[in-house]
Amino acid sequence: AQSVTQLDSQVPVFEEAPVELRCNYSSSVSVYLFWYVQYPNQGLQLLLKYLSGSTLVKGINGFEAEFNKSQTSFHLRKPSVHISDTAEYFCAVSVKGGGADGLTFGKGTHLIIQP
Amino acid sequence: DTGVSQNPRHKITKRGQNVTFRCDPISEHNRLYWYRQTLGQGPEFLTYFQNEAQLEKSRLLSDRFSAERPKGSFSTLEIQRTEQGDSAMYLCASSGGNNSPLHFGNGTRLTVT
Repeated sequence: AQSVTQLDSQVPVFEEAPVELRCNYSSSVSVYLFWYVQYPNQGLQLLLKYLSGSTLVKGINGFEAEFNKSQTSFHLRKPSVHISDTAEYFCAVSVKGGGADGLTFGKGTHLIIQP
Repeated sequence: DTGVSQNPRHKITKRGQNVTFRCDPISEHNRLYWYRQTLGQGPEFLTYFQNEAQLEKSRLLSDRFSAERPKGSFSTLEIQRTEQGDSAMYLCASSGGNNSPLHFGNGTRLTVT
């Protein structure tokens, strides 16, 4: 089975500052990696995904993430955050080949942007 | 692409009552998932359909829970004899295949009083 650890439950940053949200995973097989964002009272929206190829993945809203196989990490970064980035961010993994249980999520990191 | 649609958005019910939620996936997607999300947690897998076949169920899905996808299109999730611990956001997602990301609906928030 696979698992996801998001090391920070909350990350406060000032507007226009850079941010990194940490994600580590554990799996006995190869995985795909995802970051989702959830705004209050809404479903999850895909930010970016890593399936194969370049380990640096660019997503929507200026976010990017880097897959590091040796450290089993997939940290999310943005060079300059905006008030509208305030949301809950979830890292997720799925088993290559299509596990029947879809995605395994971390507990989420609440990104708080301070003016 | 109208996205994944879930109804109702909110449901308040008394303990012991039955509730049913509906999910309409993206039309060309053959895979449909139900997840449950409680406060401060990530979504947890409940069950998965490929077309009309229910292929996987989590141990979180007790006997009081049942899901159907009779024609391989929309799906329903029913909870019988609701308990306060069932209060959560119930999320539906669909995808088009093995490497395709999941597209989520806005969820149904259930409150059991």
